[in-house]
Amino acid sequence: QVQVQESGPGLVKSSETLSLTCTVSGTSTSGYCWGWLRQPPGKRLEWIGCVYDTGSTDYNPSLQSRVTMSMDTSKKQFSLRLSSVTAADTAMYHCAREGYFYSGGYKTYAFDIWGQGTMVSVSS
Amino acid sequence: EIVLTQSPDTLSLSPGERATFFCRASQSINSHHLAWYQRKPGQPPRLLIYGASSRDTAIADRFSGSGSGTDFTLTISRLEPEDFAFYYCQLYGTSRTFGQGTNLEIK
Repeated sequence: QVQVQESGPGLVKSSETLSLTCTVSGTSTSGYCWGWLRQPPGKRLEWIGCVYDTGSTDYNPSLQSRVTMSMDTSKKQFSLRLSSVTAADTAMYHCAREGYFYSGGYKTYAFDIWGQGTMVSVSS
Repeated sequence: EIVLTQSPDTLSLSPGERATFFCRASQSINSHHLAWYQRKPGQPPRLLIYGASSRDTAIADRFSGSGSGTDFTLTISRLEPEDFAFYYCQLYGTSRTFGQGTNLEIK
């Protein structure tokens, strides 16, 4: 059974860097983009970005200047670093696999494996 | 950036009824890149539909998706008690945009 699980501090101070790790089990990390998403209270889900096992990354342009993601294939872990956090970064953070599918001859993508999520609050 | 707007915000129905959720894109999109998710309290989202109309593995056939251009629909043909949850549409692209969600509640 493919699973992903987030870990990291639940409280981060304003202006500091939020760091989370996601551990993958039940599958290889090869061939997929492994991502981070978040949902602030009362707001919509937001994709932060993803990282391939090659180390290549794809970030949401709105967060790109503050985001760094990396992959440790030997540990089957990938990580998120979000710098200069503010209260607006308070959210439930999920790691997820962006699976690929074939639809009418097109290759498309969707998040098919999700972690339970970890709530991160930013304090002043 | 393309914005996805879902309607209604809340849908109040009874088990056995038909549920229809709408997702409108701010401009025409490739329907193959439209997905739907279900989210129950305390759980992560679950992928239901990809490519606008293809069910993910183990998703019951009472769930169906359709649409093209800017307008997309998720339908649950006959509601089961476990179907009451939030539903989100999502577009694959530069920002992997999500709709704001529809809350399906028991009437």
